[in-house]
Amino acid sequence: GENVEQHPSTLSVQEGDSAVIKCTYSDSASNYFPWYKQELGKRPQLIIDIRSNVGEKKDQRIAVTLNKTAKHFSLHITETQPEDSAVYFCAASASGGSYIPTFGRGTSLIVHP
Amino acid sequence: EPEVTQTPSHQVTQMGQEVILRCVPISNHLYFYWYRQILGQKVEFLVSFYNNEISEKSEIFDDQFSVERPDGSNFTLKIRSTKLEDSAMYFCASSDPLGTDTQYFGPGTRLTVL
Repeated sequence: GENVEQHPSTLSVQEGDSAVIKCTYSDSASNYFPWYKQELGKRPQLIIDIRSNVGEKKDQRIAVTLNKTAKHFSLHITETQPEDSAVYFCAASASGGSYIPTFGRGTSLIVHP
Repeated sequence: EPEVTQTPSHQVTQMGQEVILRCVPISNHLYFYWYRQILGQKVEFLVSFYNNEISEKSEIFDDQFSVERPDGSNFTLKIRSTKLEDSAMYFCASSDPLGTDTQYFGPGTRLTVL
């Protein structure tokens, strides 16, 4: 089955800095890669996703890159703000029908004001 | 914007008791899922459900678990004889594969087994 590794487990940055979270996956059939943000005690919220037919996607301060050859994808947050502090999970799955995402272990991002 | 809802938000039960966790998926979605998240750990897939039957299930989803869609709106997870290690946050999610594979999560039910 799919195996998703996520690094780092904790990331501490100063407000305004950039943050990068990296994930690798093992199953070459995976073609859908969502990123979720989970604030303490809250539900995981989809913040951005990317499919294997593109290499990069951007939404304001958030961007995701995908390298299919190397089987890794990354989340980039620019100009971080304290409200970006949360746990971020990457996931990988094969899309279509009842796809089952495999989640990474999460990265706790702390943005210091 | 429509959201997945779950009840109760917190359930406390004694070991060995049965619990039913309830979810109302987004109305036009066709696939439904249950996940669990033990405190401080990653989200783990339990089961997916489509067309009134289980599509896939993980090793975690053993005989003590069952799911049901008793009517056109609710989706339930039953844990027959709870164990201490069942204590976790349980999330329901739904998706519409005809439009997008994106899964939308409910707010979760925190299950505490004493």
